[in-house]
Amino acid sequence: DIQMTQSPSTLSASVGDRVTITCRASQSISTWLAWYQQKPGKAPKLLIYKASNLESGVPSRFSGSGSGTEFTLTISSLQPDDFATYYCQQYNSFYTFGQGTKLEIK
Amino acid sequence: EVQLVESGGGLVQPGGSLRLSCAASGFTVSSNYMSWFRQAPGKGLEWVSVIYSGGNTYYADSVKGRFTISRDNSKNTLYLQMNSLRAEDTAVYYCARDGGTTWGYWGQGTLVTVSS
Repeated sequence: DIQMTQSPSTLSASVGDRVTITCRASQSISTWLAWYQQKPGKAPKLLIYKASNLESGVPSRFSGSGSGTEFTLTISSLQPDDFATYYCQQYNSFYTFGQGTKLEIK
Repeated sequence: EVQLVESGGGLVQPGGSLRLSCAASGFTVSSNYMSWFRQAPGKGLEWVSVIYSGGNTYYADSVKGRFTISRDNSKNTLYLQMNSLRAEDTAVYYCARDGGTTWGYWGQGTLVTVSS
């Protein structure tokens, strides 16, 4: 099974900050990686697919990069609506999520 | 507009059974990859099962042999039959559709609580 490890688990930041979340796969997954945003009591929302492709309707301040085993999600300038939990997910071999990164207001 | 509406959750005793439904609109279930995911209270996301457009089905090890995914083409609905339920199956269960960019469409979720 492919394991996904996200860091950090919690991130404190301010509106306007640039933030980066990292996701590592236990083996190469090429670019079969997605990023989701989840707010309390809501379903996950797809942000990025195939490592760097922005899902339709997602603001351009979100970007993804990486391939193989190392991936990043970057939010270029945090907005109040961005404080949420973020998950990476591999879909190279079925589907595995990282443990999540909670983005909190500093 | 694509919509997924889950139902069928509730309180069930350990060892019991429950069937979840996911009614779809705006697309054809049988022509898409469809999955069930779950999220235990305060925990992360976990994939449960997938049914591909060709009909192949796959399961997470944690539910293999106990859960069955299926679809009813006439009702455009996805199902998850859950048997031999355990306390650790307590979670919000989501259905999702792969619209070509992995899991881009999700339902609102239905809560399953396994407790005596």
